[in-house]
Amino acid sequence: DIQMTQSSSYLSVSLGGRVTITCKASDHINNWLAWYQQKPGNAPRLLISGATSLETGVPSRFSGSGSGKDYTLSITSLQTEDVATYYCQQYWSTPYTFGGGTKLEIK
Amino acid sequence: EVKLVESGGGLVQPGGSLRLSCATSGFTFTDYYMSWVRQPPGKALEWLGFIRNKANGYTTEYSASVKGRFTISRDNSQSILYLQMNTLRAEDSATYYCARELTGIDYWGQGTTLTVSS
Repeated sequence: DIQMTQSSSYLSVSLGGRVTITCKASDHINNWLAWYQQKPGNAPRLLISGATSLETGVPSRFSGSGSGKDYTLSITSLQTEDVATYYCQQYWSTPYTFGGGTKLEIK
Repeated sequence: EVKLVESGGGLVQPGGSLRLSCATSGFTFTDYYMSWVRQPPGKALEWLGFIRNKANGYTTEYSASVKGRFTISRDNSQSILYLQMNTLRAEDSATYYCARELTGIDYWGQGTTLTVSS
């Protein structure tokens, strides 16, 4: 099974600031990576698929990058509504696996 | 509008069984892989498995944690996804989400909660 590691379980960033969330796969996943945002009490929301493709309706301050085993979700100009937990998921091979999540808060 | 609505959660004793349902609408059900994902309280998401679409013969894949105990099936005539859960354990307590797979999971249900306790 491919393990997904999000190195930071918690991040605190100032309003208007930039945040980078990292995700490392235990094997190459060929950009078959998705990022999700989950707010308390809600189902996750797909933000990015294919490592870099922004889903319709997702603000352009979100972006994804990476290749091979290492991937990044970046948020520029952090807004209060971005407070959430962010998960990566590989869908290169089954079982598809999620990272442990990164909880983002406003400093 | 795509909708996924789970039902069937509740309180079950250890060793018991339960079947979750997910009623779907707003898309051609047979075109899509459909998944189940769970989330224990305060913990991370866990992918449980999927059932492939018509073009791929409706075959299934599971995570190791549920393989042999859980079964995913679908009623394509009614666009309903199922999760049959047997030999339930306390660690199966979670919110269970029905999900549509595309490139990643593009639609999620609101979740249904299972508690396994005596």
